[in-house]
Amino acid sequence: IQMTQSPSSLSSSEGDRVTITCRASQSISTFLNWYQQKPGSAPKLLIYGASYLQTGVPSRFSGSGSGTDFTLTISSLQPEDFAIYHCQQSYTTPYTFGQGTRLEIK
Amino acid sequence: EVQLLESGGGLVQPGGSLRLSCAASGFTFSTYAMSWVRQAPGKRLEWLSSITESATNTYYEGSVKGRFTIFRDDSKSTLHLQMNSLRPDDTAVYYCATDRDWRLEHWGQGTLVTVSS
Repeated sequence: IQMTQSPSSLSSSEGDRVTITCRASQSISTFLNWYQQKPGSAPKLLIYGASYLQTGVPSRFSGSGSGTDFTLTISSLQPEDFAIYHCQQSYTTPYTFGQGTRLEIK
Repeated sequence: EVQLLESGGGLVQPGGSLRLSCAASGFTFSTYAMSWVRQAPGKRLEWLSSITESATNTYYEGSVKGRFTIFRDDSKSTLHLQMNSLRPDDTAVYYCATDRDWRLEHWGQGTLVTVSS
């Protein structure tokens, strides 16, 4: 299953609302996870099952979608949110990831 | 606190072998499936392999099937990845992660594998 994210990069300002899209090449129900990765660090789980917030993740992060189209929304960007975001399908092995979306400071 | 600590990375020549280890603590290791994921420079994350609880089943991504073997030692709370016939395109940071309820919840810090002559 191919996963495609858009955009590949995004420049935004603190306080902005940001949406990142992930599309699967076939239906994956809601078996979709989002991760945040900062330079030199491992990915961190943010959202699982398309819309469930991982424990400890701020409520400004939210996820939605089912089937083939999914979104990750950050309601009000904070300085610590500038990172790379990855989607991943867990519907079937091989699990596959999107190419990542780099969120940069404008 | 869940901790995963990878080790065993390094520089290896093409065609060589390497065994990665992932020492787990802070949770009941034997009750978790585990996965290996890698990230080559400038590339997307790539899931490589998973092993279920009690090692009942193992799964592999196509490009590593037959070259890599995942296994676990529940008595030592350790996950391993035996990598043979290494190629330059296997150069990456390798991560272990807990694999439960269709999500990779906890990740190690990664270990760098470089395949080069």
